[in-house]
Amino acid sequence: DTAVSQTPKYLVTQMGNDKSIKCEQNLGHDTMYWYKQDSKKFLKIMFSYNNKELIINETVPNRFSPKSPDKAHLNLHINSLELGDSAVYFCASSQAGNSYEQYFGPGTRLTVT
Amino acid sequence: AQSVTQLGSHVSVSEGALVLLRCNYSSSVPPYLFWYVQYPNQGLQLLLKYTSAATLVKGINDFEAEFKKSETSFHLTKPSAHMSDAAEYFCAVSDRIQGAQKLVFGQGTRLTINP
Repeated sequence: DTAVSQTPKYLVTQMGNDKSIKCEQNLGHDTMYWYKQDSKKFLKIMFSYNNKELIINETVPNRFSPKSPDKAHLNLHINSLELGDSAVYFCASSQAGNSYEQYFGPGTRLTVT
Repeated sequence: AQSVTQLGSHVSVSEGALVLLRCNYSSSVPPYLFWYVQYPNQGLQLLLKYTSAATLVKGINDFEAEFKKSETSFHLTKPSAHMSDAAEYFCAVSDRIQGAQKLVFGQGTRLTINP
């Protein structure tokens, strides 16, 4: 069974469109994250939710909006896509009290044309 | 603010040789430190972690790392490289925030193994 899953794996879209990426974890964790990996492989945290509450919100454009319907899901919606949004987006989860070890999903490669 | 510097964006070793990937951190509090590996087109997998217990940490696939506070380092080693070790390696320090963990990553080191 996949611990952290993301859909879709690949997403190709045009500038100006709105798209969503979904993430689900079956580990029973209470904290979920979104990271962005750019073309130079640099990884940076975007958001984190703990028990459906937004805990970490880095300096990300307002066009990015995370939504957590429950502890097992954290979706990322992106409005008015720009070329610079092209990247690989990773979802992760962790459980407080477990040294905060994070488990990562396989990633979603977003290409904006 | 926490930060991590990985020395060397690309390291190349021969199969069977020692692997040494360098990581230095900056942290205002006792750090939690991690090494993750990323194989091509895959997510990140945890190799090992330091959480203020033993300073020599053993991980999966015979990797280990030593926490040296005086040098603010957490270098990753493996005694004998395998072809399957070829991947991107990331060192990270965590900033604990209210039930969450903000991982700050280094820029990554690509490890190439020569036959």
